[in-house]
Amino acid sequence: DIVMTQSPDSLAVSLGERATINCKSSQSVLNNSNNKNYLAWYQQKPGQSPKLLIYWASTRESGVPDRFSGSGSGTDFSLTISSLQAEDVAVYYCQQYVSTRSIRTFGQGTKVEIK
Amino acid sequence: QVQLVQSGTEVKRPGASVKVSCKASGYTFTSWYIHWVRQAPGQGLECMGIINPNDGTTTYAQRFQGRVTMTRDTSTSTVYMEVSSLRSEDTAVYYCARERQAVFDSWGQGTLVTVSS
Repeated sequence: DIVMTQSPDSLAVSLGERATINCKSSQSVLNNSNNKNYLAWYQQKPGQSPKLLIYWASTRESGVPDRFSGSGSGTDFSLTISSLQAEDVAVYYCQQYVSTRSIRTFGQGTKVEIK
Repeated sequence: QVQLVQSGTEVKRPGASVKVSCKASGYTFTSWYIHWVRQAPGQGLECMGIINPNDGTTTYAQRFQGRVTMTRDTSTSTVYMEVSSLRSEDTAVYYCARERQAVFDSWGQGTLVTVSS
């Protein structure tokens, strides 16, 4: 199974400042045949279901604010919130989906709070 | 709009079984896989398995093999997940999620299952 490891486990950022979360996979999630990274990011606010933010490592889901961006390739990825807003307080998860019809795996989550 | 509506909170004794439902609406039920994900209190997200609503084929995570059964009813656009031989460690919120282009674009509201004697 592919293991996803996020860092840090938590971070506190001032309003308007940048927040960056890292995600490392135990093996590459890059599909060389289509040059796509099978990596998604989800946001889970307290008491709510998770919400898809980004897929293919850098494609924002419809309706997601452009302060959220994803980057990386192969085994190393990042989610950046360019200017943290109060409504961004949440736990963020990365997820690999390198094989369809397979069991996905998530990172352990990163909790983002306001400093 | 796409909606996944799950059944309500359950409280079960150790050793019992629980069956959670997930009713889909707003799209063609048989066109998209459904996944089940659980989240223990204060913990992260764990994928349990997948069902293809079109033909009912399933794939289960190894750690749940033999204890989890996923089924569907196309007449009501509903998928079900049953967990047997419940233990306290199965206390969690269980989510269904629709797979679109390999990612989970819509989620149910979650069903809390508490296992306690």
